[in-house]
Amino acid sequence: DAKTTQPTSMDCAEGRAANLPCNHSTISGNEYVYWYRQIHSQGPQYIIHGLKNNETNEMASLIITEDRKSSTLILPHATLRDTAVYYCIVRDYSGNTPLVFGKGTRLSVIA
Amino acid sequence: EAEVAQSPRYKITEKSQAVAFWCDPISGHATLYWYRQILGQGPELLVQFQDESVVDDSQLPKDRFSAERLKGVDSTLKIQPAELGDSAMYLCASSHTTGAAYEQYFGPGTRLTVT
Repeated sequence: DAKTTQPTSMDCAEGRAANLPCNHSTISGNEYVYWYRQIHSQGPQYIIHGLKNNETNEMASLIITEDRKSSTLILPHATLRDTAVYYCIVRDYSGNTPLVFGKGTRLSVIA
Repeated sequence: EAEVAQSPRYKITEKSQAVAFWCDPISGHATLYWYRQILGQGPELLVQFQDESVVDDSQLPKDRFSAERLKGVDSTLKIQPAELGDSAMYLCASSHTTGAAYEQYFGPGTRLTVT
């Protein structure tokens, strides 16, 4: 079973920041937080991952709380092409393990 | 940019027929995964390969599903006989064995409809 809880859906205005929350209150010390997204009829796409420090790449920023029990994925300037299902996944540090997906958050970016 | 290839993209078959899906991972990726995604849900692992060896097939319905990766490169997933409940998207993913990110790269999937 997925170890994360996410809202079912969210809306965001085009050009605004999209903040997607994730609860992972049972995360253990050797587990990373990963984010993937799935645009309609495509395979999931890796976005970002982190352990305890905030992370940023060209796609998004990941903010992890100090107690590591929750995190937020931030898309700084959402576009219509960011409309997708976003999955927050907790994964063992040893890494080469399957991804356990929940139902994710369906983000709709509105013009 | 290298991609995971899958074929066919769409498959319609009648129940009790056999069906096969093919996946070609990114070159050099030793780990290959097959996932199944039912409409409205997240993908679920069916089988994981490390090179040509099965690492985890605990969720693979072995009475009707089989998977192989004979030369440790491309892989085939087979269903025989297909059942109505097998209608889903079948996704293949690959990753490096080493490296902190262990990002999985997914193919476009094969959408199976069983009638």
